[in-house]
Amino acid sequence: GAVVSQHPSRVICKSGTSVKIECRSLDFQATTMFWYRQFPKKSLMLMATSNEGSKATYEQGVEKDKFLINHASLTLSTLTVTSAHPEDSSFYICSARDVGDRRSYGYTFGSGTRLTVV
Amino acid sequence: GNSVTQMEGPVTLSEEAFLTINCTYTATGYPSLFWYVQYPGEGLQLLLKATKADDKGSNKGFEATYRKETTSFHLEKGSVQVSDSAVYFCALTEGNQAGTALIFGKGTTLS
Repeated sequence: GAVVSQHPSRVICKSGTSVKIECRSLDFQATTMFWYRQFPKKSLMLMATSNEGSKATYEQGVEKDKFLINHASLTLSTLTVTSAHPEDSSFYICSARDVGDRRSYGYTFGSGTRLTVV
Repeated sequence: GNSVTQMEGPVTLSEEAFLTINCTYTATGYPSLFWYVQYPGEGLQLLLKATKADDKGSNKGFEATYRKETTSFHLEKGSVQVSDSAVYFCALTEGNQAGTALIFGKGTTLS
C-alpha cells in the first residue's frame, strides 16, 4: 500500500535556528501534500496544502514566512520552521494523497515529527 | 466552512464494554466521512470510512453509519479490548480532487 516517510521523527533545536522536515511518498506520486500541526490536546490543525511545482496554500492564521513549504518533486515536500521559538514546539504531520487509491480514499500519513525548541 | 465536532475525552472503559464516540459535522456539500486512529507513538491510520448517506463503514469490530439527517458519524464497538486504547479522530473531506484536505475533529482518547 501507499507509504509516506517523514523525517526526522524527533528534533531538538535552539531558539532562532531553522529546522527542515521532509515528507516523501515512497511508492506513489503526490501532486498534493498536506501539513498538519498536532497540539497537546490532540487536535490536528491543517497548516497548508503543498502543491508540486507551485506555491503552497496556507490556512488562515499560519505564517507563511515562518513555515516555509517546498514541493519540488512529485515525491517530496519539505516544511522548514524558520527562526524557531519555543511556541513552535509541536508535533508536525504530513499527509500525501494518492487519488488512484480507492480503498482509503487516498490519504496516507507520515509518522510525524516531534519538534522541541529550547 | 466545514468542521467536525467530536466528544471530548478521555473515555475510560472496562474491557468488553460497549463503546460510542460521537461525531457530528458541518459541511456545505456532501462530504465523505472517516474515522482515524492514532496508537501511542504511531502515526494516523484509517479505521473506516463512508462516502455517502446511509453507508456503514466497518473495520476491526468498529462501525459507523453516515447519517445525513442528523449530520452524524458516531463510532461504535460492541466489546472493546485493551489493545483499542488510542486516540480516535473523526474527519471529513469534500470531493475527490487532489487538493482537498481532511478536516479533523479534536480527537477522543480511549483508555
